[in-house]
Amino acid sequence: GAVVSQHPSWVICKSGTSVKIECRSLDFQATTMFWYRQFPKQSLMLMATSNEGSKATYEQGVEKDKFLINHASLTLSTLTVTSAHPEDSSFYICSATNGGELFFGEGSRLTVL
Amino acid sequence: DAKTTQPTSMDCAEGRAANLPCNHSTISGNEYVYWYRQIHSQGPQYIIHGLKNNETNEMASLIITEDRKSSTLILPHATLRDTAVYYCIVDINTGTASKLTFGTGTRLQVTL
Repeated sequence: GAVVSQHPSWVICKSGTSVKIECRSLDFQATTMFWYRQFPKQSLMLMATSNEGSKATYEQGVEKDKFLINHASLTLSTLTVTSAHPEDSSFYICSATNGGELFFGEGSRLTVL
Repeated sequence: DAKTTQPTSMDCAEGRAANLPCNHSTISGNEYVYWYRQIHSQGPQYIIHGLKNNETNEMASLIITEDRKSSTLILPHATLRDTAVYYCIVDINTGTASKLTFGTGTRLQVTL
């Protein structure tokens, strides 16, 4: 089946720094990618929808200036957590669609000290 | 998107069938029922989906009631590796993009 890869799988950073997480579709072109956030023992919460070549659409309550999303190619979307704080520590998951099925990445665990 | 209701948790003995129910009483005619699962600290894994008819694949079977207001995911012979949170989601399959809304899911614990 199709594969979506995230990098890094885990990252630890200091408060105030920015962290970039990549989401790649390895064997298909993804016109749309989605970014989710999951806190411990909670469900996945959609953060934004990323369309190739256009600005991302953010869900209500998600700060677009804090969570920068870039989808410059059909196989890569990036999420940058700017000026990260401990409350941004979470499991970030991307998904990508090839126009039919939806495939999820393995997730990236961010810990902000 | 229609909301779904699932039990918070379930236990199942290894080797037995695991039957996970889901209520989606407000589902509309063009919405599909999707099932995903999430093993601890991993991304969600697609299991199966259906519209009206029952579906079966190598992982599971999906039984949808005639009125489509509820469904059951069946894992025929549960193993310890099936321990995960199972999410039932209803969504329109537009064929172009699928923005899935996850509920709280059912935490399935498979035991020896």
